[in-house]
Amino acid sequence: DAGVIQSPRHEVTEMGQEVTLRCKPISGHNSLFWYRQTMMRGLELLIYFNNNVPIDDSGMPEDRFSAKMPNASFSTLKIQPSEPRDSAVYFCASSPRLAGSNEQFFGPGTRLTVL
Amino acid sequence: GQQLNQSPQSMFIQEGEDVSMNCTSSSIFNTWLWYKQDPGEGPVLLIALYKAGELTSNGRLTAQFGITRKDSFLNISASIPSDVGIYFCAGRLNQAGTALIFGKGTTLSVSS
Repeated sequence: DAGVIQSPRHEVTEMGQEVTLRCKPISGHNSLFWYRQTMMRGLELLIYFNNNVPIDDSGMPEDRFSAKMPNASFSTLKIQPSEPRDSAVYFCASSPRLAGSNEQFFGPGTRLTVL
Repeated sequence: GQQLNQSPQSMFIQEGEDVSMNCTSSSIFNTWLWYKQDPGEGPVLLIALYKAGELTSNGRLTAQFGITRKDSFLNISASIPSDVGIYFCAGRLNQAGTALIFGKGTTLSVSS
């Protein structure tokens, strides 16, 4: 079975450029989560969706970050404009439960480097 | 925000040794999960716990949901080199609609 799919796996960009990260959750899962992982701060929840609706975006660091889920099989996380401090590994996860906090399944991550 | 205190931060052990790590909080959780992350990969779920006092095993791994609902531990018996990685605890507060909170992780190194 296909797990959570993320693309690209690696992204290197220059400061000020727009970055779009993509995620395809596991088919049939109701909830989708975006996380950011750094050495300093560990794994941080940025935003999560239930049935394609954003539920909690309090973890989004600032207005430069935005996330969308236009349908049950696709989500994007966009950073515009990007800054060097955005460099991190970004994970997408999905869960088969509503209120989506049990048994989340993670994708392989996108390693973002902003120069 | 809510915090999970995971310890130890890192461990260096010999192959064959047993390992124990734990997570504690000042808040009550209704779910505890343990994940392992290999280099360059996303975290993979190892064990899920849903009831206070629950003790669950997955091969050489054993995890328990603390009676107070404020802590959990993970034990690995007879460690092997492939146990190397970062282990995360994650908990869900006893409130409807809340997301998981993750610990900072325990980095395990195993020498053969």
